[in-house]
Amino acid sequence: NAGVTQTPKFRVLKTGQSMTLLCAQDMNHEYMYWYRQDPGMGLRLIHYSVGEGTTAKGEVPDGYNVSRLKKQNFLLGLESAAPSQTSVYFCASSYSSSGITYEQYFGPGTRLTVT
Amino acid sequence: GQSLEQPSEVTAVEGAIVQINCTYQTSGFYGLSWYQQHDGGAPTFLSYNALDGLEETGRFSSFLSRSDSYGYLLLQELQMKDSASYFCAVRGTGGFKTIFGAGTRLFVKA
Repeated sequence: NAGVTQTPKFRVLKTGQSMTLLCAQDMNHEYMYWYRQDPGMGLRLIHYSVGEGTTAKGEVPDGYNVSRLKKQNFLLGLESAAPSQTSVYFCASSYSSSGITYEQYFGPGTRLTVT
Repeated sequence: GQSLEQPSEVTAVEGAIVQINCTYQTSGFYGLSWYQQHDGGAPTFLSYNALDGLEETGRFSSFLSRSDSYGYLLLQELQMKDSASYFCAVRGTGGFKTIFGAGTRLFVKA
């Protein structure tokens, strides 16, 4: 049981380049999330998904797009990277039952630097 | 909007007890969670309070007062390995959107 995995672990991009971050979970969780973490600012929700084929915006969605084509995968895309997107990106997933959402399980993170 | 406030840093001695406070403002409320994060690591879940009162899990306890929009995490018998950042998080309207505080960095000294 790998839990939540993220690919890649590290990446350096030049301004204007694009990339996709992949998140996979093997716990059959309905809900998945993408966060970014910057020093002193905690975790900020970028986008989330409540099930296969559905996505929604979080607190800081601008400049990012997501897709959830399969229940176990949640992709985060940066179409044209900017230095302000330098951050650590965490994916998380959680179980839900009868409208109650339980604790989130986090992946190991992706450290992205945009120069 | 939604916001959470917690102290930025707390220092305590090994073996002691420390309390990390969290106050929140949310539109709708479904519960207060606490997460621990070591440097370079991922956040890991510690506790969750949906109702008023104290929840105990080993050396860690968490308290919630919904009327005061306030909660705290209590760490007992502190160990060096407890040095980490601790985040409170609120699940607001909709039940699946979680907002995190900026985190409290705990330093445990020998």
